[in-house]
Amino acid sequence: KNEVEQSPQNLTAQEGEFITINCSYSVGISALHWLQQHPGGGIVSLFMLSSGKKKHGRLIATINIQEKHSSLHITASHPRDSAVYICAVGSPDKLIFGTGTRLQVFP
Amino acid sequence: KAGVTQTPRYLIKTRGQQVTLSCSPISGHRSVSWYQQTPGQGLQFLFEYFSETQRNKGNFPGRFSGRQFSNSRSEMNVSTLELGDSALYLCASTYYRVGTDTQYFGPGTRLTVL
Repeated sequence: KNEVEQSPQNLTAQEGEFITINCSYSVGISALHWLQQHPGGGIVSLFMLSSGKKKHGRLIATINIQEKHSSLHITASHPRDSAVYICAVGSPDKLIFGTGTRLQVFP
Repeated sequence: KAGVTQTPRYLIKTRGQQVTLSCSPISGHRSVSWYQQTPGQGLQFLFEYFSETQRNKGNFPGRFSGRQFSNSRSEMNVSTLELGDSALYLCASTYYRVGTDTQYFGPGTRLTVL
């Protein structure tokens, strides 16, 4: 069993829909990261959180430390949100990655 | 502020050769970590350097090695290349700790081993 599990693996949506991507982990962590990877490979860090909730524009990330679970929400999705979203859990000196969720948003 | 840069961006090698990839972190960042991304295994942690010292290493064979210079620039080396080493190699920098600080990723080096 992977230490970091993401669901769903693939997600398609119509523009404007509310999107949720889930991440569960089985190891102790210092922080959890949400990353976005566009075609071509570039990775951008969206959030890093160790408790509670963070919001940036249309993106919201939450984490429940007791349940070892995090969610990434996208409100009012747009075609430019199409990308792979990767959850990664951090111990102080390394990151363990989930397998990613491929999101496609259609106009 | 300039972002993380990686050179070269693309590389083609043959089995048995060795390769060196370079990563220049954001100015002021002291931690550089390296990752391998393949379609089958996804993203995997290779190693992390801080102040010229390797702090942690992932589960990769000894053919994969790295170093960090006093200006925080880092190199990784893969010796005796195998077909399975074909991958996107990414580096990321952060101020202090890879697990607990925001990571800034470079564009990656795409290595193809023939």
